[in-house]
Amino acid sequence: DGGITQSPKYLFRKEGQNVTLSCEQNLNHDAMYWYRQDPGQGLRLIYYSQIVNDFQKGDIAEGYSVSREKKESFPLTVTSAQKNPTAFYLCASSLLAMSTDTQYFGPGTRLTVL
Amino acid sequence: AQSVAQPEDQVNVAEGNPLTVKCTYSVSGNPYLFWYVQYPNRGLQFLLKYITGDNLVKGSYGFEAEFNKSQTSFHLKKPSALVSDSALYFCAVSLYNQGGKLIFGQGTELSVKP
Repeated sequence: DGGITQSPKYLFRKEGQNVTLSCEQNLNHDAMYWYRQDPGQGLRLIYYSQIVNDFQKGDIAEGYSVSREKKESFPLTVTSAQKNPTAFYLCASSLLAMSTDTQYFGPGTRLTVL
Repeated sequence: AQSVAQPEDQVNVAEGNPLTVKCTYSVSGNPYLFWYVQYPNRGLQFLLKYITGDNLVKGSYGFEAEFNKSQTSFHLKKPSALVSDSALYFCAVSLYNQGGKLIFGQGTELSVKP
């Protein structure tokens, strides 16, 4: 987990609320990623960013938004449009957005909808 | 469609015995393959990866994996299991020129009993 921090560790959301999950890295990595983890389903890619001020949708982007204004930061907003947001959210980064690069993961944020 | 399969949801091994966690993949083109481990409520830790070259890859904590192109497999192995190896293991594949996107298997829960 070293070098990538996620906050908060636990987050509770009421129906209809938007919430923002923080991800910061001090590894000087260009690429950053957001994944969602549900039991028995592995990890699924939400959004990724290859460089500052640029990002692309992953496989399950609906109901989520991101920004990449700084190299070290890639916050994820879970909007009220996301119908089933309860999950474990993982942020990752890699040196470049190359297929051979290793992704390093943060400790995760567990989001629960009340 | 590109996919990764981990055919066993759970693997049980006695401490000191060899362990194998299976992974098969289905991709077009040359695959780049990764293994990660996850302890409860934590992020993923990188174990090893196969990019090219020797089919036997050695990684962290005594783990190794063998790439078998004809069987489209990348099984994770360790000669002597430890109780502390008990965790959730994920196999993942990335594809050439896909911006570093990883496709994950659903995970295998490894339980090592004393």
